[in-house]
Amino acid sequence: GQNIDQPTEMTATEGAIVQINCTYQTSGFNGLFWYQQHAGEAPTFLSYNVLDGLEEKGRFSSFLSRSKGYSYLLLKELQMKDSASYLCAVEVANTGFQKLVFGTGTRLLVSP
Amino acid sequence: DVKVTQSSRYLVKRTGEKVFLECVQDMDHENMFWYRQDPGLGLRLIYFSYDVKMKEKGDIPEGYSVSREKKERFSLILESASTNQTSMYLCASHLNPVNQPQHFGDGTRLSIL
Repeated sequence: GQNIDQPTEMTATEGAIVQINCTYQTSGFNGLFWYQQHAGEAPTFLSYNVLDGLEEKGRFSSFLSRSKGYSYLLLKELQMKDSASYLCAVEVANTGFQKLVFGTGTRLLVSP
Repeated sequence: DVKVTQSSRYLVKRTGEKVFLECVQDMDHENMFWYRQDPGLGLRLIYFSYDVKMKEKGDIPEGYSVSREKKERFSLILESASTNQTSMYLCASHLNPVNQPQHFGDGTRLSIL
């Protein structure tokens, strides 16, 4: 089976740093995506990790450990506009096509 | 920028009706997907298509069918709508190879009464 776990909700203060964790147990693994989704809007791509380590993109970074089945998304210098849901999605291998298995999402609330 | 357009943001239909949800992408992507998104369950794959007239079942295809007659357009069909199909439906597309991100439409919030 496929199992992806992430916290349901997190809160943080403007200007702070927050880490959103994602653990996975899947039948295959090609890579891991993070998406951001504001309420009522489309998910938008944030990052993709295929190798172990940290990928940095401005205020956002994403980390992957394949041996531990673990990833996190790190958001620095939080802004109010970062209030959104963050979706972890594992790209399952061995299908020939991109198949993503999504976690249920972490809703992040940023307060002043 | 990739644009994925879903025909309706909100739709209300009655039980037993045949419902069509339309999705169009403007970037010549080979692959297109239909998901539904429900609270506490995340996004679940209904169907996907990797080429014109080609389709593959996802994890929850029961009660749905799809059509891809043109590369840019992917339609989701609810053959006989039921109340448990009330949900947010998201269309996505992506370019090969498999590690390219999917681009999503804004979603159709469908209510079946």
